[in-house]
Parts: sequence; structure tokens; C-alpha cells
Amino acid sequence: EVQMLESGGGLVQPGGSLRLSCAASGFTFSSYAMSWVRQAPGKGLEWVSGISTSDGSTYYADSVKGRFTISRDNSKNTLYLQMKSLRAEDTAVYYCAKDRRTISSLDYWGQGTLVTVSS
Amino acid sequence: QSALTQPASVSGSPGQSITISCTGTRSDVGGSDYVSWYQQHPGKAPQLMIYDVTNRPSGVSNRFSGSKSGNTASLTISGLQAEDEADYYCSSYASSDTLVFGGGTKLTVL
Repeated sequence: EVQMLESGGGLVQPGGSLRLSCAASGFTFSSYAMSWVRQAPGKGLEWVSGISTSDGSTYYADSVKGRFTISRDNSKNTLYLQMKSLRAEDTAVYYCAKDRRTISSLDYWGQGTLVTVSS
Repeated sequence: QSALTQPASVSGSPGQSITISCTGTRSDVGGSDYVSWYQQHPGKAPQLMIYDVTNRPSGVSNRFSGSKSGNTASLTISGLQAEDEADYYCSSYASSDTLVFGGGTKLTVL
């Protein structure tokens, strides 16, 4: 069974940093691209970042470029999102998701972790 | 990276069919084979319902179908059931190497 379990969310002050993790199981993690998607309270889905499998290429939404860094550790079956210079508008539930191919469709999702940016 | 345009809400009675539209540009929906649809129930993670414009993942009911014409993709749900009441989102690969979502459509089963 494919499973993704996010962790690392919490309350952080504006300007602060946080690192999210996503532990994957039930599939060959190293063979698939992965993405982070967020959903602000009561709002729609917003793709945040993606990472390929082959060469580790990374992709970002304009709203987080330069502040967020996606990475993966295939030996630990884990996806990461390092977030810096956090703003109130980054407050959201962050989901990790398995991509069918790089930046295409997301066929399995975790349950999400809530990040709240507030003083 | 503008969001794709979806109607805010649609509704239908049990047994009826409904269609949700998703309008983009030539840089995303119109130029991409990677258009997807997701269903999200309150408090739950999204679930992939359609990928690559027309394909259903294993386990998704054949009452769900997808299509595309020009810059507009569509999700059709036939034989509407109470359990279909949820939010629906489209997404598309965009030429800027990003993934763009629609604003979401709330489906109400009357």
C-alpha cells in the first residue's frame, strides 16, 4: 500500500524557517518524481514545488522561488521541503504527493501537515 | 502562473449528469496532455480521478470521464450519487515547468 506521512509542521514566526519531511512507503521511491502542494485554510490547492527522479531537477512556483528548497533522500525514502523567510501567506496545510511523471498528475497524497506563520 | 478558471459551484440531482469546466491558455491546458482532475472531501486529502486528460486510475468509477477541447478541459460525472458531493480541482502542466491548479468547484448533490 502506497503511503506518505508528512511531519514538521507547526507554528513559526514571520521570517522564520521550518523543514517539512515526507516519509514514503509502498512503492519504489527513487523511481518517481514527487511534489509539494499546499492549501491555505478555506482555499484551493496550490502547487509549491516538484523534484524529478532522474537528475534531481527541481521546480518551484513563483510564490516560493528563492525561499523554499525541495530535496529528496532516496536512501531514506524521504522527501523534504526547507522553508525560509516564511510569511503569513505561507500558512497552509502542506501535502506531499507522488507524481506519475515529473510535473504531471499526483496519484497518491499524504494527509498533510499544517504550517502556521504568525507572531 | 495564473490559476485555471473553474466555476465556483455546480449542482445536480441524484442520477443526473454534470460537467465541470476548466479553462486555461495555450501555455497550459491547450498545450498539455497532462490535465488532471482531483476530488477532495472536507478535511481529506485530494484524490486523483482523471489523469492525462481522459484516463481513470484503477479504482475510480467509470461514471467519471474527462475531455479537452482547445484551452478548456472538462470533467463529467454521470449517474450522480450523494457521495460525489465534494470539491473538484483541475490541474495542468504549464510550459514554465510548473503545475497549475484551478480554483476549485464545489459540487452539491441536491
